[in-house]
Amino acid sequence: ETGVTQSPTHLIKTRGQQVTLRCSSQSGHNTVSWYQQALGQGPQFIFQYYREEENGRGNFPPRFSGLQFPNYSSELNVNALELDDSALYLCASSLWNWKAGGPFSADTQYFGPGTRLTVL
Amino acid sequence: DAKTTQPTSMDCAEGRAANLPCNHSTISGNEYVYWYRQIHSQGPQYIIHGLKNNETNEMASLIITEDRKSSTLILPHATLRDTAVYYCIVRVLTGTASKLTFGTGTRLQVTL
Repeated sequence: ETGVTQSPTHLIKTRGQQVTLRCSSQSGHNTVSWYQQALGQGPQFIFQYYREEENGRGNFPPRFSGLQFPNYSSELNVNALELDDSALYLCASSLWNWKAGGPFSADTQYFGPGTRLTVL
Repeated sequence: DAKTTQPTSMDCAEGRAANLPCNHSTISGNEYVYWYRQIHSQGPQYIIHGLKNNETNEMASLIITEDRKSSTLILPHATLRDTAVYYCIVRVLTGTASKLTFGTGTRLQVTL
């Protein structure tokens, strides 16, 4: 158990709809990252939020957006759903302190169980 | 991003050590090597990470070669519950974001 929770567990949507996925971080963590995992593939980085600001983004279009709240919980929003958005969506929380070590800083990301999104 | 290369699959007998290799020949000097595993579409589970020294924790040991171009994850006494997909990851900094770049991993099958 990592203390990271996600909701809902499963979700079915139709093409063109919008979806919001939720993540509750481990206590004491200040950073949340979102990943998309297609069937048979490794997770792909979507973006990361540090202290309520997006501080990094992977190769995903702007219809993927997020929020991080003052209690460090987070949402992933996907607009105009496409069939290829069907995947397992994972959030990971960590205690990230870039200023402590700069480029040699290390963190450990703890993953939640994921939300399985199916787009029909 | 630095890429990793792992065997697609490996078998290990229960009770024996499982040695999982990984190549990361384009790794940069400040990039860490992380290992995670994933059991049947659950969230990935953190195992261990290192920069240049060998590391050990209660789950595993990580051996990194001196030139840092490859590493080996060692599970000292594999059990059936260690059957999973193991990911060797080079942690990349994108601006100030800490990004894990997953490959396709090694499917480890532990058998009786």
